[in-house]
Amino acid sequence: GAVVSQHPSRVICKSGTSVKIECRSLDFQATTMFWYRQFPKKSLMLMATSNEGSKATYEQGVEKDKFLINHASLTLSTLTVTSAHPEDSSFYICSASLLGLAGSYNEQFFGPGTRLTVL
Amino acid sequence: GESVGLHLPTLSVQEGDNSIINCAYSNSASDYFIWYKQESGKGPQFIIDIRSNMDKRQGQRVTVLLNKTVKHLSLQIAATQPGDSAVYFCAGGMDTGRRALTFGSGTRLQVQP
Repeated sequence: GAVVSQHPSRVICKSGTSVKIECRSLDFQATTMFWYRQFPKKSLMLMATSNEGSKATYEQGVEKDKFLINHASLTLSTLTVTSAHPEDSSFYICSASLLGLAGSYNEQFFGPGTRLTVL
Repeated sequence: GESVGLHLPTLSVQEGDNSIINCAYSNSASDYFIWYKQESGKGPQFIIDIRSNMDKRQGQRVTVLLNKTVKHLSLQIAATQPGDSAVYFCAGGMDTGRRALTFGSGTRLQVQP
């Protein structure tokens, strides 16, 4: 099946630093990648939609200058949390969408998530 | 806008019993719905999906029911096992437009041995 990886799985950083999270589709080319954020005991909240070669579309309330998304290829998208603060601590999850067959939807395959802790 | 939500935050069942997890949605614009299982510290894992023009779909030990009249979705797990303990999310999606999934708030399933 389609596999999506994330790196790193856990990261601890100091306040004010920037952190880059990678999302890779390992055995398929993803037309679209999505970035979600999840707080403890809460649901996934969509942050942005990323298409290869174009600018990401951010959800309302998500600061595009703080959460930089780069989708350089059909197998890699990166999320950079710039000038991180303790309130940015969260579980970040990406998903990659595989173009579906006619009559089916574009199924999303989720990565294992990245736990970010900002001290 | 479209939203998906759940009735109960926690469901506790005995091993071997059947589990029913419910989900309500307020907007009928979704073309399909998906149930995901999420274990602690991991990403969501696909369980089963159903398109909006269907009422029922069965998988291995799982069944999803869709009632469009009352905008209600349920996941039934037969013979619940300790390994089924996790948080379950329903999500709605559309074939066109944004194509992103909208997730419900989640139900934690606890299976007692």
